[in-house]
Amino acid sequence: TQLLEQSPQFLSIQEGENLTVYCNSSSVFSSLQWYRQEPGEGPVLLVTVVTGGEVKKLKRLTFQFGDARKDSSLHITAAQPGDTGLYLCAGVKNYGQNFVFGPGTRLSVLP
Amino acid sequence: GAGVSQSPRYKVAKRGQDVALRCDPISGHVSLFWYQQALGQGPEFLTYFQNEAQLDKSGLPSDRFFAERPEGSVSTLKIQRTQQEDSAVYLCASSRARTGVWETQYFGPGTRLLVL
Repeated sequence: TQLLEQSPQFLSIQEGENLTVYCNSSSVFSSLQWYRQEPGEGPVLLVTVVTGGEVKKLKRLTFQFGDARKDSSLHITAAQPGDTGLYLCAGVKNYGQNFVFGPGTRLSVLP
Repeated sequence: GAGVSQSPRYKVAKRGQDVALRCDPISGHVSLFWYQQALGQGPEFLTYFQNEAQLDKSGLPSDRFFAERPEGSVSTLKIQRTQQEDSAVYLCASSRARTGVWETQYFGPGTRLLVL
């Protein structure tokens, strides 16, 4: 049973389109992180959200942490081919050490 | 730049062989994590070190998996009597702080292990 679920699993869009990907759980997390992973590389941290309801913006990327700290979304405006990659969410429970990763959303942005 | 490095990048092993995977964290980073990433999946936590102390090894799938970080810097993940289900990418990450919750984890490129 996946502790964190991500949707959609795959997404292929044209350059310039907007998109939203989701990270959901039945568990409460003390913090949640989003990563992007490119083929043959390790994940790279994009953002950490800690407070329920928190919204963070990183250029064309907007991240939101749900009020109940069980879910999160990532919205990309005007997607570019450089946004292509595997987007992973990872949650930490009870301020522990272990990060639990979701299965990821594989995004392909076509020029 | 002095990021996290891992070696070898690729390893092919015959079933039953022992393998050793090396991780060189960023200099001065206190925390070190090992993850296993199966094809098409997200990374799964294996074990965590704070300096040389292995504080959590709850994610190691069996007693064939062993990790060490004897001097608090370089770490080695050893898999004994490899099985086909061990085929995966093994990722190492390090972070500055003693608690990893809010600190950035810097990942290495991973070692891709294929067991035939």
